[in-house]
Amino acid sequence: QKEVEQNSGPLSVPEGAIASLNCTYSDRGSQSFFWYRQYSGKSPELIMFIYSNGDKEDGRFTAQLNKASQYVSLLIRDSQPSDSATYLCAVNEWVTGGGNKLTFGTGTQLKVEL
Amino acid sequence: DVKVTQSSRYLVKRTGEKVFLECVQDMDHENMFWYRQDPGLGLRLIYFSYDVKMKEKGDIPEGYSVSREKKERFSLILESASTNQTSMYLCASSFRGLNNQPQHFGDGTRLSIL
Repeated sequence: QKEVEQNSGPLSVPEGAIASLNCTYSDRGSQSFFWYRQYSGKSPELIMFIYSNGDKEDGRFTAQLNKASQYVSLLIRDSQPSDSATYLCAVNEWVTGGGNKLTFGTGTQLKVEL
Repeated sequence: DVKVTQSSRYLVKRTGEKVFLECVQDMDHENMFWYRQDPGLGLRLIYFSYDVKMKEKGDIPEGYSVSREKKERFSLILESASTNQTSMYLCASSFRGLNNQPQHFGDGTRLSIL
């Protein structure tokens, strides 16, 4: 069973600060990684994905991947109260016989305080 | 935009009933997934399908079955509903065989078994 670990939080940051969300995974062969945001009572929505070592930036969001350390993170710059949500890390996994699926962490709750 | 539509947002059923949850996607995705989400437990995969008439067990298939007769539709069946199946159920879909394709989620069905 592949594992994806996240600190459940809550992680509290002041408005305007950088929020740093972390995720580790157990399968060294994993190749692609996804970050989803989930507001309370809503379904997960994709923020971004990354599959190469290093950083990938999209607006205020930066995903960082270190395959040697089996570690992926999400940085949110200039955090806003609207960023308050649960952030899910997911890792792609191939399935014997065809198809692929995502293994999700349990999520980190982020609270951005005024 | 990808559209994943779940047939009901809220559903109330009685113990012992046979319950059908329906999911339809409009993006010609090969993969479709059913999850349940409970507080503190994250997203747990029940079943998934990577082709018509194909199905694979996820992490918690007991008490559930699925049907995929058409590519765009994936049904989750609770054979004899029990109170411990009260949960939020999420359907998702994605392309098959591509490493960086995300899953897209429906709005969820909040199911209560009385």
